[in-house]
Amino acid sequence: DAKTTQPPSMDCAEGRAANLPCNHSTISGNEYVYWYRQIHSQGPQYIIHGLKNNETNEMASLIITEDRKSSTLILPHATLRDTAVYYCIVRGGGSNYQLIWGAGTKLIIKP
Amino acid sequence: EAGVAQSPRYKIIEKRQSVAFWCNPISGHATLYWYQQILGQGPKLLIQFQNNGVVDDSQLPKDRFSAERLKGVDSTLKIQPAKLEDSAVYLCASSLAGTAAYEQYFGPGTRLTVT
Repeated sequence: DAKTTQPPSMDCAEGRAANLPCNHSTISGNEYVYWYRQIHSQGPQYIIHGLKNNETNEMASLIITEDRKSSTLILPHATLRDTAVYYCIVRGGGSNYQLIWGAGTKLIIKP
Repeated sequence: EAGVAQSPRYKIIEKRQSVAFWCNPISGHATLYWYQQILGQGPKLLIQFQNNGVVDDSQLPKDRFSAERLKGVDSTLKIQPAKLEDSAVYLCASSLAGTAAYEQYFGPGTRLTVT
């Protein structure tokens, strides 16, 4: 599985868009990009995933570069409840591939 | 829908004692995962079940850890004997299937402290 690189921490003002970057320069053609987040003392929560195209759901948008070597998770209007550790993970398509978790990005939303 | 249930939420034991954790996945989810999360790190997969069969247990310390998923629903993870380095949060997750197209849903975890 490809490795990912994320900044250890970021700040964002409440109400603004939070843009979380992730580098995955060794990603292969069949690997998906996943984003999860973990609020303090809770289990991780799925946010979004994609293969090649940009994706949007009720929580966030995922922008994947054309060469697929990096991606950005966008929380359009950050709230204090979005303070969490955000994990970017790449994972192969078959059932024998794991989610390999790094240390993630600690996102702090400031009032 | 009901989420993934885990119990207990907290457990404190002495080293060399045994402990067991229980997980009830979301109804209809065929794939169940157990993760270990040490403070400050991301979760590490210990074992993955597809129905009641093991798909991946390559990172499970089999000399002390065991897991089962009888009847393809609930699962139990056991540690015997526990070591100090086993102090961590043990997370259970489930998904409809094990492929990348399906997201994993996590329970709240069990925080284990070994003294």
